[in-house]
Amino acid sequence: NAGVMQNPRHLVRRRGQEARLRCSPMKGHSHVYWYRQLPEEGLKFMVYLQKENIIDESGMPKERFSAEFPKEGPSILRIQQVVRGDSAAYFCASTAQGQEKLFFGSGTQLSVL
Amino acid sequence: SQKIEQNSEALNIQEGKTATLTCNYTNYSPAYLQWYRQDPGRGPVFLLLIRENEKEKRKERLKVTFDTTLKQSLFHITASQPADSATYLCALDIRNNDMRFGAGTRLTVKP
Repeated sequence: NAGVMQNPRHLVRRRGQEARLRCSPMKGHSHVYWYRQLPEEGLKFMVYLQKENIIDESGMPKERFSAEFPKEGPSILRIQQVVRGDSAAYFCASTAQGQEKLFFGSGTQLSVL
Repeated sequence: SQKIEQNSEALNIQEGKTATLTCNYTNYSPAYLQWYRQDPGRGPVFLLLIRENEKEKRKERLKVTFDTTLKQSLFHITASQPADSATYLCALDIRNNDMRFGAGTRLTVKP
C-alpha cells in the first residue's frame, strides 16, 4: 500500500506563473489536508477537504489560492500568479473516514524566482 | 485568540536522559491531541494520540500526558538516543478531525 504521494518534489516558478501541487492520498483515504511550512517553523493549516467537498478552508488566502479533491484523481493545490512569498514546503496529509492519524507525504518544495 | 504553543524552540540533552517537551493551547477544547516526529526534508510521522478523557499514554520509550484543566500536554522520551534527534510537533483536533499543529520543538540528543 503506497503512502501519500506528492508531486512534484521540487517546483520552480517565476513570479506571475501558476503552481499546481498534486497529492494522491493513501488508498482508501477520503480526507486530505494541506499545510504550508517555512524553514524552522511549524505546519500552518491551509485547507481540509473530503472528496468533492471543502470542509475547512479558513487557512487559505482569499486570493490566488484554491484547492480541490475530485471524486477521481489527486487533490490539487493551485496557486495563481505566484509571488516570492509563496516559496515554502507544502505538505499534504490524508486519513480515512473516522480515523484520526494523519499520514503525510514528503512535501513539495516550491521556489519562486 | 486561539494558540498552540510549544514553548521550547530547541532542546539539547545528553544521551540516556529523559527529554520532556511541552505543548500548551488556549481557546481550544480538543477531543484529542497527537504528537508527530519530523525529520529534515520529510513529512511528519505520527507517534501517539491521547484523548481528552485519558491522562496518560505510553508507547515503548514514549509517554504522553494530557491535562485538559491546564490545557497542556507533556511528551517524554526516556533513555534518549541520538537517533531521537528530530523536530516534534503537537497537533490538536479542533473539531471533527480538523487538525492544527504547533511550531514544533527541535530536539538534539548528544552522545
